Amino acid sequence: DTGVSQNPRHKITKRGQNVTFRCDPISEHNRLYWYRQTLGQGPEFLTYFQNEAQLEKSRLLSDRFSAERPKGSFSTLEIQRTEQGDSAMYLCASSANGAGYNEQFFGPGTRLTVL
Amino acid sequence: GENVEQHPSTLSVQEGDSAVIKCTYSDSASNYFPWYKQELGKRPQLIIDIRSNVGEKKDQRIAVTLNKTAKHFSLHITETQPEDSAVYFCAAPGDSSASKIIFGSGTRLSIRP
Repeated sequence: DTGVSQNPRHKITKRGQNVTFRCDPISEHNRLYWYRQTLGQGPEFLTYFQNEAQLEKSRLLSDRFSAERPKGSFSTLEIQRTEQGDSAMYLCASSANGAGYNEQFFGPGTRLTVL
Repeated sequence: GENVEQHPSTLSVQEGDSAVIKCTYSDSASNYFPWYKQELGKRPQLIIDIRSNVGEKKDQRIAVTLNKTAKHFSLHITETQPEDSAVYFCAAPGDSSASKIIFGSGTRLSIRP
């Protein structure tokens, strides 16, 4: 499978615990995005990488959230001290570099449930 | 920042009829407008996009129109089929740096047999 992959697909955790998700983009894509999607809503932008550089982070993102892409390939999203409001689907997407906007290819998502 | 409004939130049409979903955006500098389809339990997938240098684009039964003056764009699906049932999201750029896109809240389309 050469598409975007995410692990784990599901995560159940207790409030206050830390969780980490992984995204492997399409290999030749150097742009990587994280989104959060709750039921009945569209994906909400969280952060964006071009290669290993994190170029933008949503103002809505609390400091409990951190993302890395150390070698410009896979990325991790960590949520510290999880809260019930963090329960959502976390989507990763990647796109090719180039002038202007290019199609974003989404992964299957990681569904987080915080008890 | 960009604000994308989408309506209707739900739409039910008879199989074979047409469906139209409309979106408005706020940033007049926006120049890229993708539409994504998300089936139940699946990831969003791009079905069509339009850039601001054209007013209409077609791909088989799907078409998108763009009115830059009024800052709105629409998705048209003709001869609807059961497999068109899904949630559809419009989107527009969140800034000019070719990074984030802002999604609408989605339209749940149901095709009645």
